[in-house]
Amino acid sequence: QSVLTQPPSVSAAPGQKVTISCSGSSSNIGNNYVSWYQQLPGTAPKLLIYDNNKRPSGIPDRFSGSKSGTSATLGITGLQTGDEADYYCGAWDSSLSVGRVFGGGTKLTVL
Amino acid sequence: EVQLVESGGGLVQPGGSLRLSCAASGFTFSSYWMSWVRQAPGKGLEWVANIKQDGSEKYYVDSVKGRFTISRDNAKNSLYLQMNSLRAEDTAVYYCAREWYYYDSSGYYPGYFQHWGQGTLVTVSS
Repeated sequence: QSVLTQPPSVSAAPGQKVTISCSGSSSNIGNNYVSWYQQLPGTAPKLLIYDNNKRPSGIPDRFSGSKSGTSATLGITGLQTGDEADYYCGAWDSSLSVGRVFGGGTKLTVL
Repeated sequence: EVQLVESGGGLVQPGGSLRLSCAASGFTFSSYWMSWVRQAPGKGLEWVANIKQDGSEKYYVDSVKGRFTISRDNAKNSLYLQMNSLRAEDTAVYYCAREWYYYDSSGYYPGYFQHWGQGTLVTVSS
């Protein structure tokens, strides 16, 4: 059971928009920054969004992040078949000795 | 270009030991916190351990405390994970990751994982 909650799967057609939610609590998302990672099949995770809504160099602006209260959302517009991947949210949880927590991951299928 | 290359994975019996290595290049290794993050087959991501720039602070997930030891050699631009008393539930791909920390007037706290290696598979089985 992950500390952050994500839907197991989402799907949409090419060219459409999809959103992936990440729900937490005041000790993690509510008071700390959220990051998002993309894991293409058979590859390592890659940083997609940091500080809730910032994109690293090289990440297209089709990807966006937002946060409200204890929830965060990843948005992807203009879906491409190459966007099929697992997406994970992450945050620091200041109430845990571990500190670093992830969501369980969301499998995006581009139909 | 930032590169992180893990090695040392393999098949080991329950109770056995393994040492993972991560060779870093393309950045000033000694300036960053470094982490190990693992992913069990078909499962999500789990942070395992991390180490401060100078090695003076180390943190572990509860499930590996007392069994795993993280270390680094800044002269060799390398990160290590010594894994002892391995269990079946330690089976996973282990990723080395460069970690960003936030610094402010009250101290520092974990941020996000900027760069990841390609991972090395550890299988614990008899």
